[in-house]
Amino acid sequence: NAGVMQNPRHLVRRRGQEARLRCSPMKGHSHVYWYRQLPEEGLKFMVYLQKENIIDESGMPKERFSAEFPKEGPSILRIQQVVRGDSAAYFCASSPPRGANNSPLHFGNGTRLTVT
Amino acid sequence: EDKVVQSPLSLVVHEGDTVTLNCSYEVTNFRSLLWYKQEKKAPTFLFMLTSSGIEKKSGRLSSILDKKELFSILNITATQTGDSAIYLCAVDLRGAQKLVFGQGTRLTINP
Repeated sequence: NAGVMQNPRHLVRRRGQEARLRCSPMKGHSHVYWYRQLPEEGLKFMVYLQKENIIDESGMPKERFSAEFPKEGPSILRIQQVVRGDSAAYFCASSPPRGANNSPLHFGNGTRLTVT
Repeated sequence: EDKVVQSPLSLVVHEGDTVTLNCSYEVTNFRSLLWYKQEKKAPTFLFMLTSSGIEKKSGRLSSILDKKELFSILNITATQTGDSAIYLCAVDLRGAQKLVFGQGTRLTINP
């Protein structure tokens, strides 16, 4: 049973370009979470999605960032017109519906974005 | 604002030593506290704590939660070089679908 799969592992973009990060949740999981980790910091929540719905995007910057989780295919985190400050590791996690089953989040290996 | 604070931020010890990592929190709606170990890649899950005073144990690692004083500790006994990592503490909020992480403790075990 494959875990959370993220790609690419490393992504280099020049300032002003677009970055697309992909996340395939664990089999049977319909909920996806994106977190960002800046150098020497803990993870910061960005967005929580279910299939075709954004549930909580309170941690997402208002501009240039968007996320989707279509009915088919992986979840995508999209960053337009990247700036140096976007350089970070972006982690995805997935879960079944939370409800009363308080299972811990399991994370993918992350995408390390470097903006030059 | 929900906050999780870990200490120390960095710790260097010799192989065989015992270490205690601290995590304190101030959150509006506590559901559980989690510990993760992060080496070069994904944070890997260690423990989830929901009740005060009940120790969770896995090999040389153990953790306990104090919901009255709002903190948790992670103990590692007889440390090995493979324990070198960043240890992250996070609080899961009831009614919200997100974890609030501390800044992590970077643990280095020297041979």
